Amino acid sequence: NAGVTQTPKFRVLKTGQSMTLLCAQDMNHEYMYWYRQDPGMGLRLIHYSVGEGTTAKGEVPDGYNVSRLKKQNFLLGLESAAPSQTSVYFCASSYRTTRDSNSYEQYFGPGTRLTVT
Amino acid sequence: LAKTTQPISMDSYEGQEVNITCSHNNIATNDYITWYQQFPSQGPRFIIQGYKTKVTNEVASLFIPADRKSSTLSLPRVSLSDTAVYYCLVGVRNTPLVFGKGTRLSVIA
Repeated sequence: NAGVTQTPKFRVLKTGQSMTLLCAQDMNHEYMYWYRQDPGMGLRLIHYSVGEGTTAKGEVPDGYNVSRLKKQNFLLGLESAAPSQTSVYFCASSYRTTRDSNSYEQYFGPGTRLTVT
Repeated sequence: LAKTTQPISMDSYEGQEVNITCSHNNIATNDYITWYQQFPSQGPRFIIQGYKTKVTNEVASLFIPADRKSSTLSLPRVSLSDTAVYYCLVGVRNTPLVFGKGTRLSVIA
């Protein structure tokens, strides 16, 4: 199992350019998440998905769009990049836990370091 | 989601036991307490989760008092490789986690 993978690992954009970050998981997880982490800060939730074809806004959704066309993939798009979007982006996935399950573990990818100049 | 408060940083010598306490005064009945570890340039990694009393695994122990308004992550005999940021999170199953700034643990030789 590769777990959670993210593409690309690094990217430099100019202001106004667009790009898509790809997250893939091979654990058959229902839930997927996109976070951003700025230097010295904790992670902030951008968007998440509770299943194929569904998405929801997190804490900081402005300037980003997402799509979950396939269960194993979760795409994060930046339509018009801004310097304020310079950050490390983490994708994560998890099972939908059942009533009898105490497990609440999210599995994280290695991150994508994005710089917008 | 319940807000958590934890120390910004802690220092420890190798071989010592480290206890990191997290306060979550507004924890709800259905909330679980989860701890994650993050090394530089890596995504967070699940350490341990609990609801009440004590939970132990091969990495750490989690102590939760009866009122559940706080919890303590205990790392036995830390080594240099335990230097990381540790996050305490509180939330209901199947809802997104909210990460604070965490506790930066520095282990000194």
